[in-house]
Amino acid sequence: NAGVMQNPRHLVRRRGQEARLRCSPMKGHSHVYWYRQLPEEGLKFMVYLQKENIIDESGMPKERFSAEFPKEGPSILRIQQVVRGDSAAYFCASSLETSGGYEQYFGPGTRLTVT
Amino acid sequence: QQQVKQSPQSLIVQKGGISIINCAYENTAFDYFPWYQQFPGKGPALLIAIRPDVSEKKEGRFTISFNKSAKQFSLHIMDSQPGDSATYFCAPGDSGYSTLTFGKGTMLLVSP
Repeated sequence: NAGVMQNPRHLVRRRGQEARLRCSPMKGHSHVYWYRQLPEEGLKFMVYLQKENIIDESGMPKERFSAEFPKEGPSILRIQQVVRGDSAAYFCASSLETSGGYEQYFGPGTRLTVT
Repeated sequence: QQQVKQSPQSLIVQKGGISIINCAYENTAFDYFPWYQQFPGKGPALLIAIRPDVSEKKEGRFTISFNKSAKQFSLHIMDSQPGDSATYFCAPGDSGYSTLTFGKGTMLLVSP
């Protein structure tokens, strides 16, 4: 019974490049959440998605960041024209539809380094 | 505005001792109170959670105590073990928004 899967685990990008982070939720989970963690900090909510819908993107920067969760395939967090301040660990979590967002289970994260 | 305040920032406990971590919140709409455990290089793992209709929940060596009037909840780890050394986060949630608000974390070190 696989948990939440994220890839790549580590990603290095030069300033100005694009970063694509992928997240496959746990089997049977239809809700996906993206969080960002800076060093020595807690996780900050970015975006909440259900299949083909963005439910809440209040934590997402207005520019350069986008997220999707297509009908088929993983959820993708896309960061365009990365800057050094984007360096962080990005975590995806998923939950059952019936849990209403409770009991979120996290993946291992993608550690993005911008050089 | 910091919605969730966790204390202490770090904690050293001897093996076999009790570890206590506190979380204070401001948002009265929170109705779900979990604690997450995170090891270096890993994602947070749900440890234990409580709903506001009970004041205490125990699972093995881990207990959550909840004080609604004080807007606080705490994690107690009994008989702490070196394997418990990790960072612990409180992350209360509001069912109306389905998202979690994380505290800044408490680094626990259990000395052998």
